[in-house]
Amino acid sequence: QVQLVESGGGLVEPGGSLRLSCAASGFTFSDFYMTWIRQAPGKGPEWLSYISGNSGVTTYADSVKGRFTISRDNAKNSLYLQMDSLRADDTAVYYCTRDPREADYWGQGTLVTVSS
Amino acid sequence: DVVMTQSPLSLPVTLGQPASISCTSSQRLVYSNGNTYLHWFQQRPGQSPRRLINQVSNRDSGVPDRFSGSGSGTDFTLKISRVEAEDVGIYYCMQGTHWPLATFGQGTRLEIK
Repeated sequence: QVQLVESGGGLVEPGGSLRLSCAASGFTFSDFYMTWIRQAPGKGPEWLSYISGNSGVTTYADSVKGRFTISRDNAKNSLYLQMDSLRADDTAVYYCTRDPREADYWGQGTLVTVSS
Repeated sequence: DVVMTQSPLSLPVTLGQPASISCTSSQRLVYSNGNTYLHWFQQRPGQSPRRLINQVSNRDSGVPDRFSGSGSGTDFTLKISRVEAEDVGIYYCMQGTHWPLATFGQGTRLEIK
């Protein structure tokens, strides 16, 4: 069955960096666009970024453009999100999901807290 | 950006009674291939969102048949025929038609009266 498992979250100071990972299994990873979505405490989900199956297409929400970088390694069935210049309002649970049009599978999420 | 507006934002329901949530989009959600990428998600307390309904009216695998979706164009509805205790949580609509920015509604909190 399809599984998505995020990791890499934690506590980081404002201005710091973190790299999130998402391990995928149960489907042909390279066939699918993948996305990152986050959910701040008490708020609804916010789409952040997606990447095509061959990494040729990437897109970002304005809120993270220039600070976050999405990437993938199809040989390792893994999706990544490099987060730089983190701010307090980046505090959220970060989810990887499959297919930005469908969002049919979500991981359990990883919590990122940006605080001094 | 496409704005998704849900109502009501809070929905107290008696066990066994029906419930209905409305979702309105600021643009029509029919894609060029004829599909309408309007989905409904359930988020139980402390859990990840789970997709219940895809492309307006298709129940995802394992979703009880008391959940149904309908609508077209810009107006969509999620209905629960008889609410059970396990249905407590927040329900979101999401559009995936207009890229690059998929967008979610504000969420509707369903609680038991």
